[in-house]
Formats: sequence, C-alpha cells, structure tokens
Amino acid sequence: GQQLNQSPQSMFIQEGEDVSMNCTSSSIFNTWLWYKQDPGEGPVLLIALYKAGELTSNGRLTAQFGITRKDSFLNISASIPSDVGIYFCAGQRTGTASKLTFGTGTRLQVTL
Amino acid sequence: GAVVSQHPSRVICKSGTSVKIECRSLDFQATTMFWYRQFPKQSLMLMATSNEGSKATYEQGVEKDKFLINHASLTLSTLTVTSAHPEDSSFYICSAGASGTDTQYFGPGTRLTVL
Repeated sequence: GQQLNQSPQSMFIQEGEDVSMNCTSSSIFNTWLWYKQDPGEGPVLLIALYKAGELTSNGRLTAQFGITRKDSFLNISASIPSDVGIYFCAGQRTGTASKLTFGTGTRLQVTL
Repeated sequence: GAVVSQHPSRVICKSGTSVKIECRSLDFQATTMFWYRQFPKQSLMLMATSNEGSKATYEQGVEKDKFLINHASLTLSTLTVTSAHPEDSSFYICSAGASGTDTQYFGPGTRLTVL
C-alpha cells in the first residue's frame, strides 16, 4: 500500500534542542495527523490538522498542514528525554471510511 | 475516554496453529475497526477494515482466508491468523473509529511470535 515519506528517518539530538520533521505525499489528504509510538505500544495521537495552512500547537509540539495539502511538518521545542520514540504522520481522505495512510516514521533519540 | 484494548498483548504459538486476537472499544461504540500489521522498524500497514455486521474489506495483497476478521458487535472485532507461520510474526494493532466521526483510537498492540 501507499506510504507517506517522512524525513529525517532518524535523528539524535541533545536535550533542550528543537526538532523538526516533515511528511510528504504525492497525493492530497483532507486531514493530517501526527502520532508518537513508544516501543511495544500502539500509536498515540499528538496533533490533528483539518485545514490547509492550519498551524496547531499542543504544548511543546507544533504542526502545520501544508497549503498544497500534500505535506505537513511537526516541530518539537526544547526536547526532553521522554520525547524519545517514533513519530508517524498519517493522512486521511474524506469518504474513504476514515482509512489512514501512515508515513515511514522518524525515530527520535534524545541524549542528555 | 476513547480507550481501545487488545487481548492478548503477547502470544507465542507453534507453526500451523491458529491465533485469535481481540480488539475492544471500552467506552464507546465503534462501527468501524481497522487492523494493522507492523514489522520491526517499519510503519503500520493497514490490513483490513472491519465493519460491524458486515464483511471486512481487505487491502490488496492481504489474504482474507488467512486473516479472518469478525466484527460481531459495536465494541468487539477479532482477527484470527489461521495456520500461522513464522513469517506471520509481527505486531498487530487495531484501531476503532467512534461512530459518526473520522477519529480513530488505537489499541496497545499484540505481539505475535510464531515458532
């Protein structure tokens, strides 16, 4: 099946640094979602974006829905050790029974 | 609210046996449930969409006779891996869509190991 391209694939950062990752698609989505997955667990929703150009924050997280509806980015400010995990973007189209298409994932590791 | 559970969380079975995984929405009704498979260091891949009271819709390349899905009530969907083989070893995750919305809530996953 289709997957969305995420970059970077992985990143090592120091505690306190800001992090930026993005997600691109060859086709349009009506909704963009960002999830975090810890090892051995299911993904947890971080932010949902419903409108092109929308910029939404959730604590230290900020995400934007690209104007073209084919991309999205996620920023994490002042990273902390518990930010470690895999971040997935997901796209959703109206009228597809809510099916999600997931990105390839960005693995984040935070060093002290 | 919006909690989804899976049972079991881990299962180890012998090759050739069948394994059933349950997905329950604990505090809401889910007309639609989704089953995903995730191999190590990979993303989630949708296997099938499970609709209460009707047949599941499988994604291309997923064998419906091997991965049997039953969604008998608004709070329970089951995935049965029939005649499991080592290549079926994976992390299986379900999600449930609250009726009337597009929001999906994910379960904690089931780790299947086939020896």
